Amino acid sequence: AQSVTQPDIHITVSEGASLELRCNYSYGATPYLFWYVQSPGQGLQLLLKYFSGDTLVQGIKGFEAEFKRSQSSFNLRKPSVHWSDAAEYFCAVGPNAGNMLTFGGGTRLMVKP
Amino acid sequence: DADVTQTPRNRITKTGKRIMLECSQTKGHDRMYWYRQDPGLGLRLIYYSFDVKDINKGEISDGYSVSRQAQAKFSLSLESAIPNQTALYFCATSDSRQGARTEAFFGQGTRLTVV
Repeated sequence: AQSVTQPDIHITVSEGASLELRCNYSYGATPYLFWYVQSPGQGLQLLLKYFSGDTLVQGIKGFEAEFKRSQSSFNLRKPSVHWSDAAEYFCAVGPNAGNMLTFGGGTRLMVKP
Repeated sequence: DADVTQTPRNRITKTGKRIMLECSQTKGHDRMYWYRQDPGLGLRLIYYSFDVKDINKGEISDGYSVSRQAQAKFSLSLESAIPNQTALYFCATSDSRQGARTEAFFGQGTRLTVV
């Protein structure tokens, strides 16, 4: 069965520092991978997605993620964090039947001034 | 206006009460989903619907039921609410015409508290 692990429940970084959020997945075939962000009181917004091709994927808000098949990972990165990036981040893998996604437990990012 | 709208946004209800959460979408998507979010557990699928006449259970459907009243509307009901159903509930949509290479679009969530 497919699964997604986000090892870090909480991460705190200083504004302007770099960020890496970890995501490891288990999936029986070539995965489609997603990162979503949930800002306080908001729904989930797609940051980026990987289907095939270039393993380094660019997303919105200056985020990028790298697919590493050998490590079953899809880590999210940002070179310089802004205070507005404070949110919860979810990694997801699919597709399952009906294009459903399996989500990780989420990583809550806090940004220090 | 949001493409996927959930009502209510917040609700407090008592144990044993029946409650309905509603979701409507203007994206024209055929597939709709209900997820539940709990701290540390991410989002878990409750029910999903491929079209009006096709409804399927997800991994945590016990205690819930759904109704797909139209392509644009998908409601989630708790027949007899219990405190461990306190959670943040999300409705989502996707478009089967895009095949598997498609994303899910989420509503803003309904925070439900059962006391």
